[in-house]
Amino acid sequence: SAVISQKPSRDICQRGTSLTIQCQVDSQVTMMFWYRQQPGQSLTLIATANQGSEATYESGFVIDKFPISRPNLTFSTLTVSNMSPEDSSIYLCSGGGVGTEAFFGQGTRLTVV
Amino acid sequence: GENVEQHPSTLSVQEGDSAVIKCTYSDSASNYFPWYKQELGKRPQLIIDIRSNVGEKKDQRIAVTLNKTAKHFSLHITETQPEDSAVYFCAGHTGTASKLTFGTGTRLQVTL
Repeated sequence: SAVISQKPSRDICQRGTSLTIQCQVDSQVTMMFWYRQQPGQSLTLIATANQGSEATYESGFVIDKFPISRPNLTFSTLTVSNMSPEDSSIYLCSGGGVGTEAFFGQGTRLTVV
Repeated sequence: GENVEQHPSTLSVQEGDSAVIKCTYSDSASNYFPWYKQELGKRPQLIIDIRSNVGEKKDQRIAVTLNKTAKHFSLHITETQPEDSAVYFCAGHTGTASKLTFGTGTRLQVTL
């Protein structure tokens, strides 16, 4: 299976600022996704990162708050904009084919102060 | 859209015993059901998966069963070991949506 490198692994940010998280896959993948995981809880899908076009966002998530880029089949970024303490969470990217194994980056632990 | 429910939320078993985690899904078009194990502070890792054209799949101590009619699937771990302690997530995939919907997770504790 492919390997995803995600960075940063953790960060502490001031409220009102933005953080961009990067994910690099070691091979081309059809699908890439971004999730949020609160401590002790399940994974909530933020959006599907579409190569060369706008991401597809899930209910409750908007592009202005979580802009996503996917310039090619191996790379994607998620920006958490105008952060507040409520954005403190773990953010995970994943990649895979359609109806096949999805593998995850190591996650970014974000704390907003 | 797809809704996946998972039970129990916590499970404690003695080493050597079996553990069973159950999930139900809502979308009859779902066709792929992976199970992930997540250790504390780590990323989720796929441990086994099953497709809708198969009723059961086994890999050493781990097995998954699928009942399409009832729309539920289960993870079975036999001869549990302390290193099996983790949070386990089931998920369902609908081809039309091309995305996974995760269950709420089960925290498994294997005691000595």
